[in-house]
Amino acid sequence: AQSVTQPDIHITVSEGASLELRCNYSYGATPYLFWYVQSPGQGLQLLLKYFSGDTLVQGIKGFEAEFKRSQSSFNLRKPSVHWSDAAEYFCAVGEDDYKLSFGAGTTVTVRA
Amino acid sequence: EPEVTQTPSHQVTQMGQEVILRCVPISNHLYFYWYRQILGQKVEFLVSFYNNEISEKSEIFDDQFSVERPDGSNFTLKIRSTKLEDSAMYFCASSVVGEQFFGPGTRLTVL
Repeated sequence: AQSVTQPDIHITVSEGASLELRCNYSYGATPYLFWYVQSPGQGLQLLLKYFSGDTLVQGIKGFEAEFKRSQSSFNLRKPSVHWSDAAEYFCAVGEDDYKLSFGAGTTVTVRA
Repeated sequence: EPEVTQTPSHQVTQMGQEVILRCVPISNHLYFYWYRQILGQKVEFLVSFYNNEISEKSEIFDDQFSVERPDGSNFTLKIRSTKLEDSAMYFCASSVVGEQFFGPGTRLTVL
Protein backbone atom coordinates (compact mmCIF):
# COMPACT_ATOMS: atom_id res chain seq x y z
CA ALA A 1 0.00 0.00 0.00
CA GLN A 2 1.09 3.50 -0.69
CA SER A 3 2.15 5.89 2.05
CA VAL A 4 3.52 9.37 2.37
CA THR A 5 5.87 10.57 5.08
CA GLN A 6 6.51 14.15 5.97
CA PRO A 7 9.24 13.95 8.60
CA ASP A 8 8.94 17.54 9.80
CA ILE A 9 5.83 18.32 11.81
CA HIS A 10 6.65 21.99 12.28
CA ILE A 11 9.19 24.31 10.67
CA THR A 12 9.90 27.89 11.62
CA VAL A 13 11.63 30.07 9.09
CA SER A 14 12.51 33.75 8.93
CA GLU A 15 10.90 35.89 6.29
CA GLY A 16 13.19 36.06 3.28
CA ALA A 17 14.95 32.82 4.15
CA SER A 18 14.73 29.68 2.06
CA LEU A 19 12.36 26.86 2.85
CA GLU A 20 12.52 23.16 2.14
CA LEU A 21 9.82 20.70 3.13
CA ARG A 22 10.57 17.02 2.92
CA CYS A 23 8.32 14.34 1.52
CA ASN A 24 9.01 10.66 1.05
CA TYR A 25 6.61 8.23 -0.50
CA SER A 26 6.18 4.53 -0.78
CA TYR A 27 4.46 3.39 -3.94
CA GLY A 28 5.08 0.50 -6.29
CA ALA A 29 4.45 2.16 -9.62
CA THR A 30 5.35 5.56 -11.02
CA PRO A 31 3.58 7.93 -8.69
CA TYR A 32 1.60 11.03 -9.30
CA LEU A 33 2.88 13.48 -6.70
CA PHE A 34 1.33 16.64 -5.38
CA TRP A 35 1.89 19.41 -2.89
CA TYR A 36 -1.12 21.18 -1.41
CA VAL A 37 -1.24 24.15 0.93
CA GLN A 38 -3.92 24.77 3.52
CA SER A 39 -4.29 28.11 5.27
CA PRO A 40 -6.12 28.13 8.61
CA GLY A 41 -9.80 27.37 8.13
CA GLN A 42 -9.40 27.06 4.39
CA GLY A 43 -9.51 24.28 1.85
CA LEU A 44 -6.65 22.68 -0.02
CA GLN A 45 -4.93 24.57 -2.78
CA LEU A 46 -2.71 22.78 -5.26
CA LEU A 47 0.80 24.21 -5.36
CA LEU A 48 2.28 21.87 -7.94
CA LYS A 49 2.16 18.38 -9.31
CA TYR A 50 4.40 15.79 -10.93
CA PHE A 51 3.10 13.23 -13.37
CA SER A 52 6.08 12.55 -15.63
CA GLY A 53 8.88 14.27 -17.53
CA ASP A 54 11.10 16.95 -16.05
CA THR A 55 11.79 16.04 -12.46
CA LEU A 56 11.98 19.67 -11.35
CA VAL A 57 8.48 21.04 -11.23
CA GLN A 58 7.51 24.68 -10.93
CA GLY A 59 4.36 25.66 -9.10
CA ILE A 60 2.44 28.67 -7.98
CA LYS A 61 3.58 31.25 -5.45
CA GLY A 62 7.26 30.70 -6.30
CA PHE A 63 7.36 27.08 -5.12
CA GLU A 64 9.18 24.26 -6.84
CA ALA A 65 9.66 20.58 -6.11
CA GLU A 66 12.07 17.94 -7.29
CA PHE A 67 11.16 14.32 -7.86
CA LYS A 68 13.99 11.94 -7.00
CA ARG A 69 13.06 8.38 -7.79
CA SER A 70 16.22 6.94 -6.24
CA GLN A 71 15.33 8.55 -2.91
CA SER A 72 11.55 8.20 -3.24
CA SER A 73 11.35 11.88 -2.43
CA PHE A 74 9.46 14.91 -3.63
CA ASN A 75 10.75 17.83 -1.59
CA LEU A 76 9.19 21.26 -1.83
CA ARG A 77 11.34 24.38 -1.92
CA LYS A 78 10.99 28.11 -1.99
CA PRO A 79 14.03 30.40 -2.22
CA SER A 80 12.60 33.30 -0.24
CA VAL A 81 9.66 32.90 2.10
CA HIS A 82 6.99 35.56 2.59
CA TRP A 83 4.88 35.97 5.72
CA SER A 84 1.86 34.84 3.69
CA ASP A 85 3.46 31.42 3.23
CA ALA A 86 2.64 30.54 6.82
CA ALA A 87 0.29 27.58 6.44
CA GLU A 88 0.14 23.82 6.54
CA TYR A 89 1.64 21.94 3.64
CA PHE A 90 0.60 18.49 2.55
CA CYS A 91 2.39 16.13 0.24
CA ALA A 92 0.19 13.58 -1.51
CA VAL A 93 0.61 10.63 -3.82
CA GLY A 94 -2.00 9.69 -6.39
CA GLU A 95 -2.84 6.10 -7.15
CA ASP A 96 -4.08 4.44 -10.30
CA ASP A 97 -7.57 5.79 -9.96
CA TYR A 98 -6.23 9.08 -8.75
CA LYS A 99 -7.20 8.57 -5.14
CA LEU A 100 -4.88 10.67 -3.06
CA SER A 101 -2.99 9.56 0.01
CA PHE A 102 -1.78 12.45 2.10
CA GLY A 103 1.10 12.91 4.45
CA ALA A 104 0.52 14.18 7.96
CA GLY A 105 1.44 17.70 6.95
CA THR A 106 4.10 20.23 7.90
CA THR A 107 3.13 23.45 9.61
CA VAL A 108 5.23 26.39 8.51
CA THR A 109 5.60 29.41 10.76
CA VAL A 110 7.21 32.53 9.34
CA ARG A 111 8.85 34.92 11.75
CA ALA A 112 9.52 38.54 10.91
CA GLU B 1 -12.22 30.16 -12.93
CA PRO B 2 -14.41 27.14 -12.22
CA GLU B 3 -14.32 25.83 -8.69
CA VAL B 4 -15.77 23.15 -6.49
CA THR B 5 -18.36 24.46 -4.05
CA GLN B 6 -19.66 22.88 -0.86
CA THR B 7 -22.62 23.57 1.36
CA PRO B 8 -23.07 24.15 4.19
CA SER B 9 -19.76 25.56 5.35
CA HIS B 10 -20.53 24.44 8.90
CA GLN B 11 -23.04 21.86 10.11
CA VAL B 12 -23.83 21.14 13.72
CA THR B 13 -25.85 18.05 14.51
CA GLN B 14 -26.81 15.80 17.38
CA MET B 15 -25.35 12.33 17.66
CA GLY B 16 -27.53 9.81 15.87
CA GLN B 17 -28.93 12.30 13.39
CA GLU B 18 -28.56 12.03 9.65
CA VAL B 19 -26.61 14.65 7.75
CA ILE B 20 -26.18 15.33 4.07
CA LEU B 21 -23.19 17.25 2.87
CA ARG B 22 -23.48 18.75 -0.57
CA CYS B 23 -20.96 19.44 -3.26
CA VAL B 24 -21.11 20.91 -6.73
CA PRO B 25 -18.09 19.62 -8.68
CA ILE B 26 -16.58 21.40 -11.65
CA SER B 27 -18.97 20.86 -14.52
CA ASN B 28 -16.87 18.85 -17.00
CA HIS B 29 -15.20 16.68 -14.37
CA LEU B 30 -15.81 12.95 -14.33
CA TYR B 31 -14.33 11.73 -11.06
CA PHE B 32 -15.64 12.78 -7.67
CA TYR B 33 -14.26 12.23 -4.21
CA TRP B 34 -14.88 12.79 -0.54
CA TYR B 35 -12.11 13.20 1.98
CA ARG B 36 -12.19 14.07 5.63
CA GLN B 37 -9.78 15.74 8.02
CA ILE B 38 -10.22 15.28 11.72
CA LEU B 39 -8.93 18.31 13.58
CA GLY B 40 -5.15 18.23 13.78
CA GLN B 41 -4.84 15.12 11.63
CA LYS B 42 -4.09 14.41 8.03
CA VAL B 43 -6.55 14.38 5.19
CA GLU B 44 -8.02 10.90 4.67
CA PHE B 45 -9.63 9.45 1.57
CA LEU B 46 -13.21 8.28 2.02
CA VAL B 47 -14.61 7.40 -1.39
CA SER B 48 -14.27 7.95 -5.11
CA PHE B 49 -17.13 7.96 -7.57
CA TYR B 50 -17.10 7.53 -11.33
CA ASN B 51 -19.74 6.76 -13.91
CA ASN B 52 -22.47 6.83 -11.29
CA GLU B 53 -20.94 4.26 -9.01
CA ILE B 54 -18.40 3.99 -6.26
CA SER B 55 -14.99 3.12 -7.73
CA GLU B 56 -13.15 2.81 -4.45
CA LYS B 57 -13.81 3.33 -0.77
CA SER B 58 -11.70 3.29 2.34
CA GLU B 59 -12.28 1.29 5.49
CA ILE B 60 -13.65 4.47 7.06
CA PHE B 61 -16.50 4.46 4.56
CA ASP B 62 -18.73 1.95 6.31
CA ASP B 63 -22.45 1.30 6.02
CA GLN B 64 -23.23 4.59 7.75
CA PHE B 65 -21.92 6.48 4.73
CA SER B 66 -23.37 6.77 1.27
CA VAL B 67 -22.80 8.95 -1.76
CA GLU B 68 -25.08 9.98 -4.52
CA ARG B 69 -25.10 12.08 -7.62
CA PRO B 70 -28.80 12.88 -7.72
CA ASP B 71 -28.61 15.09 -10.79
CA GLY B 72 -26.07 16.38 -13.27
CA SER B 73 -24.47 18.82 -10.89
CA ASN B 74 -24.66 17.76 -7.24
CA PHE B 75 -22.63 15.16 -5.41
CA THR B 76 -23.69 14.35 -1.86
CA LEU B 77 -22.29 12.53 1.14
CA LYS B 78 -24.81 11.17 3.60
CA ILE B 79 -24.02 9.99 7.09
CA ARG B 80 -27.00 8.02 8.35
CA SER B 81 -26.47 8.10 12.09
CA THR B 82 -23.71 10.44 13.12
CA LYS B 83 -21.24 9.62 15.85
CA LEU B 84 -19.05 11.94 17.85
CA GLU B 85 -16.01 10.71 15.94
CA ASP B 86 -17.56 11.85 12.67
CA SER B 87 -16.75 15.42 13.68
CA ALA B 88 -14.31 16.60 11.02
CA MET B 89 -13.84 18.78 8.00
CA TYR B 90 -15.19 17.06 4.92
CA PHE B 91 -13.74 17.95 1.56
CA CYS B 92 -15.23 17.23 -1.80
CA ALA B 93 -12.97 17.04 -4.85
CA SER B 94 -13.40 16.49 -8.53
CA SER B 95 -11.07 15.74 -11.41
CA VAL B 96 -10.82 14.96 -15.08
CA VAL B 97 -7.52 13.16 -15.14
CA GLY B 98 -5.12 13.16 -12.23
CA GLU B 99 -5.36 16.62 -10.75
CA GLN B 100 -8.02 16.93 -8.10
CA PHE B 101 -9.64 20.23 -7.31
CA PHE B 102 -10.85 20.59 -3.76
CA GLY B 103 -13.79 22.48 -2.38
CA PRO B 104 -13.51 24.70 0.71
CA GLY B 105 -14.88 21.99 2.97
CA THR B 106 -17.79 21.51 5.35
CA ARG B 107 -17.00 21.47 9.02
CA LEU B 108 -19.21 18.88 10.69
CA THR B 109 -19.62 19.09 14.44
CA VAL B 110 -21.44 16.22 16.16
CA LEU B 111 -22.63 16.95 19.69
